[in-house]
Amino acid sequence: KAGVTQTPRYLIKTRGQQVTLSCSPISGHRSVSWYQQTPGQGLQFLFEYFSETQRNKGNFPGRFSGRQFSNSRSEMNVSTLELGDSALYLCASTLGGALYGGYTFGSGTRLTVV
Amino acid sequence: TQLLEQSPQFLSIQEGENLTVYCNSSSVFSSLQWYRQEPGEGPVLLVTVVTGGEVKKLKRLTFQFGDARKDSSLHITAAQPGDTGLYLCIGTQGGSEKLVFGKGTKLTVNP
Repeated sequence: KAGVTQTPRYLIKTRGQQVTLSCSPISGHRSVSWYQQTPGQGLQFLFEYFSETQRNKGNFPGRFSGRQFSNSRSEMNVSTLELGDSALYLCASTLGGALYGGYTFGSGTRLTVV
Repeated sequence: TQLLEQSPQFLSIQEGENLTVYCNSSSVFSSLQWYRQEPGEGPVLLVTVVTGGEVKKLKRLTFQFGDARKDSSLHITAAQPGDTGLYLCIGTQGGSEKLVFGKGTKLTVNP
């Protein structure tokens, strides 16, 4: 079966710009979550969507937003980019959470802000 | 506050050696998952442990969940270069699916 697909794989943006990242989950998975990964902070939870509704949100500023479509595909948007937003952004999908198959991660989008 | 402490942070060993990495917390978890992440890729699930004292084996990898469900360990026997990667433990608490992350152990196995 196809895995979690994230596009684009790499992105270079300038400070102040905005960016949209896309995530297509495994077919049948309705939960999609997003994470920021940096060498210093490790993985940090951004938000989780289930059936087009945001179910959980991490401690990130309002510049970070997301949405989920009826086909479970999800996008996240970062506005007014800052240098500190440079990171690997991962999304994961799951059928039933940690106890039911766990989370399948995509390969990530490597965002560099210059 | 980092609720899951992983140690060591970095580990570099020779092929054939054994190693153990740890994931510790003062909090109780309903489950702990171990993932391996290779450079430029997303984490890949290795195992989920849910019962205190549980031991699971995956070929040369042995995972243990502490009796009190506050800690876990991963032991690798006869490490191979293909084991190189970032080993992450991720926990869930109570009925919430909000995940708690360790920062990972970066393992390098030299041929």
